[in-house]
Amino acid sequence: GAGVSQSPSNKVTEKGKDVELRCDPISGHTALYWYRQSLGQGLEFLIYFQGNSAPDKSGLPSDRFSAERTGGSVSTLTIQRTQQEDSAVYLCASSLEFSPGTQYFGPGTRLTVL
Amino acid sequence: QKEVEQNSGPLSVPEGAIASLNCTYSDRGSQSFFWYRQYSGKSPELIMFIYSNGDKEDGRFTAQLNKASQYVSLLIRDSQPSDSATYLCAVGSQGNLIFGKGTKLSVKP
Repeated sequence: GAGVSQSPSNKVTEKGKDVELRCDPISGHTALYWYRQSLGQGLEFLIYFQGNSAPDKSGLPSDRFSAERTGGSVSTLTIQRTQQEDSAVYLCASSLEFSPGTQYFGPGTRLTVL
Repeated sequence: QKEVEQNSGPLSVPEGAIASLNCTYSDRGSQSFFWYRQYSGKSPELIMFIYSNGDKEDGRFTAQLNKASQYVSLLIRDSQPSDSATYLCAVGSQGNLIFGKGTKLSVKP
């Protein structure tokens, strides 16, 4: 497919477990973004990767959250010791390096922490 | 703290009317401005961007930018029920975007 893909589409986990969310950006897009959106809320920026530069982690809400991007393509967002307040839709987006405003979003992963 | 503010709504307009969505931003140095549309249960999609003061028209949509007032707006002419969605204003900042919380628009048939 030509768009951004994310997996899984839904994830239900128990409080305290670790989860990994995956994002496959559009081929050729060097910038990759992770956002979180709680029910009825706006987009909360989490982390931003641009090429080989150090990621902008300024939006990560706690040290339980981490992300990596391997080979400048696929990214994994990891949440350790999940809490109920982590329940949200996690959205990934990608863009060309010089068009950061033109972000293409994936379908999201709906995370539910019981 | 750079901020983007939007009225959360809901904004309700009758079919065929003009819907006006507004956004203010705090960073006077911002240079790029975007409007995303998000249907319920779906991901945001870009519908308009504007970089220069004034108006930019694309079909039924017009984006308006006033940098002196730090104000961006989106006008939707001849509103249709299919325009019912949440509209997110976003402002470019150091290679990233700062999103507002969005305004929910409801177009009544």
